[in-house]
Amino acid sequence: DAGVIQSPRHEVTEMGQEVTLRCKPISGHDYLFWYRQTMMRGLELLIYFNNNVPIDDSGMPEDRFSAKMPNASFSTLKIQPSEPRDSAVYFCASSFQFRSRKADTQYFGPGTRLTVL
Amino acid sequence: GENVEQHPSTLSVQEGDSAVIKCTYSDSASNYFPWYKQELGKRPQLIIDIRSNVGEKKDQRIAVTLNKTAKHFSLHITETQPEDSAVYFCAASSAGGTSYGKLTFGQGTILTVHP
Repeated sequence: DAGVIQSPRHEVTEMGQEVTLRCKPISGHDYLFWYRQTMMRGLELLIYFNNNVPIDDSGMPEDRFSAKMPNASFSTLKIQPSEPRDSAVYFCASSFQFRSRKADTQYFGPGTRLTVL
Repeated sequence: GENVEQHPSTLSVQEGDSAVIKCTYSDSASNYFPWYKQELGKRPQLIIDIRSNVGEKKDQRIAVTLNKTAKHFSLHITETQPEDSAVYFCAASSAGGTSYGKLTFGQGTILTVHP
């Protein structure tokens, strides 16, 4: 398995532009998580999905952020419009917890380093 | 919601010494506690985890202990090596309710092992 795949790996954009980050979870995993990592705030959970349904989006900072999971193998995180304070590394992670009712290992993707000028 | 506190924020040791990182959590319903290692510029990777029905778990030079009563858990690395230098994160996850499957991470510990 190729693991969690994220694209692009690096994104540089100007303030006000729309940014779309993409994630392909590990095949068969039923949970998908989006995190943001900065020096100041550490690793923050933004939103997570179970079987393509958003479960908790309380970590999404504001309405400029949105996430979708149209199918089991693809998710996007969109920022519109982007601002310099959105600069961070965005990680996607997935896990398999089907019917076990036990939290389990989350496997992280390589991350997308976003710079908003 | 869950709150995880991690200490120390930085830790410097000599090669061969032991390193201990401690975390406390607030939600007594939390029952899964993983530890992740993140090298510079790379993704967090799981190094060891423990569930609430176990008090201690070991994997070679790494061990984790859990005290459910006090709501704290610790990572122990023995015989440290320079390649252990990284940022280490603890996390806690609840099993039920709206938090099911969600990990709350500590702020991280920067471990430096000097040759």
